[in-house]
Amino acid sequence: QVQLQESGPGLVKPSQTLSLTCTVSGGSISSGLYYWNWVRQPAGKGLEWIGRIYPSGYTNYNPSLKSRLTISIDTSKNQFSLNLNSVTAADTAVYYCARTFRQYAAIDLWGQGTMVTVSS
Amino acid sequence: QSVLTQPPSASGTPGQRVTISCSGSSTNIGSNSVKWYQYLPGTAPKLLIYSNHQRPSGVADRFSGSTSGTSASLAISGLQSEDEAEYYCAAWDDSLDGELFGGGTKLTVL
Repeated sequence: QVQLQESGPGLVKPSQTLSLTCTVSGGSISSGLYYWNWVRQPAGKGLEWIGRIYPSGYTNYNPSLKSRLTISIDTSKNQFSLNLNSVTAADTAVYYCARTFRQYAAIDLWGQGTMVTVSS
Repeated sequence: QSVLTQPPSASGTPGQRVTISCSGSSTNIGSNSVKWYQYLPGTAPKLLIYSNHQRPSGVADRFSGSTSGTSASLAISGLQSEDEAEYYCAAWDDSLDGELFGGGTKLTVL
């Protein structure tokens, strides 16, 4: 059974870089059947799509975050990562990594989520 | 600010049928498939509907989806207390070249 697990610091200082990694277990991140996403939910607000990466390394980013965002993939480690720089309090949220099943064109598997707080 | 518009809240009594709407535009719902997710804060969202009206295996047939033009709807029949959750629509937007989520609808089972 495939599982996704987010990891990274729970506290980041303003203006610094938020870095998270998602480890995929029980399946290969290189499978052409899927691509890989980051989604977040600020407290009291709705879900926000951050971006996605294909096994090839091709990416799509949320235009509102694009200037600060890098998503990368390491197929040798079965991981993909998020780097969001110049963070502010507005980036405080629960961050989820998630898998899109291409046949569905929908996210069919999510990590448990990790809370990241931006504060000095 | 979501380009997919959902009512912030909905409610119903056990056994009732409730409908949640999602209004978009020609660049998202009008040209791409709609998904619906059930979300309980603190847990992982669950895919209920993909390709506008398809249910993944394991999702109860009480949940159904439909689209018309640039709008979509999620219907829940035979409402149960366990259905109390937030519901999000989502669709790819061609002009933004990104995935959009609706603002979410909090469903209360009275």
